[in-house]
Amino acid sequence: QVTLKESGPVLVKPTETLTLTCTVSGFSLSNARMGVSWIRQPPGKALEWLAHIFSNDEKSYNASLNSRLTISKDTSKSQVVLTMTNMDPVDTATYYCARVGRVDTPKGGAFDYWGQGTLVTVSS
Amino acid sequence: QLVLTQSPSASASLGASVKLTCTLSSGHSSYAIAWHQQLPERGPRYLMNLNSDGSHSKGDGIPDRFSGSSSGAERYLTISSLQSEDEGEYYCQTWGTGIRVFGTGTKVTVL
Repeated sequence: QVTLKESGPVLVKPTETLTLTCTVSGFSLSNARMGVSWIRQPPGKALEWLAHIFSNDEKSYNASLNSRLTISKDTSKSQVVLTMTNMDPVDTATYYCARVGRVDTPKGGAFDYWGQGTLVTVSS
Repeated sequence: QLVLTQSPSASASLGASVKLTCTLSSGHSSYAIAWHQQLPERGPRYLMNLNSDGSHSKGDGIPDRFSGSSSGAERYLTISSLQSEDEGEYYCQTWGTGIRVFGTGTKVTVL
């Protein structure tokens, strides 16, 4: 059974750095065909892809947030970490992690399993 | 630029069918997509992959009431025998090398 679970602070102050952890089970971060993405959703708004990482440490970032994001993984702990610098109130959102396929796999680049999400509020 | 366009809302009566549309941007009409369901106050759930030829593969436990089809740059999600628990937001999603893109979502209301 594949599961993903996000953890991190509920509240961060403007200009601070956000660090979120996604702990996965039911699959390995060393799986060559699957990786982990971070996605966010501001209250009442649409989903926005942020970043992903694959087993070979290949990383991609949303171009509009590239300079603020860093994604990394600890395969032995089954964890993927996202950091976002210089947080602003507009970054208030529910942050999700999801399993994502490589584009050349049968499911392509789809997110096939999602975490429950964690709400992060940016406020002083 | 890879963009997905969805209508903001759709509605149908209980037990009827509703067909949602996701349109790929110019030059991307051959792309596959995925459909995701987001029920109120819940996280998203993967429904299916949908190819340009209309072939689709569903996620674990997705009822037969959910089906996909394609025509040109349009990708469709049809929900048959609409249930009250189907009310929520539906997002399409696509991908390229190093990029993932979501549509803006369609809110489905069961009348």
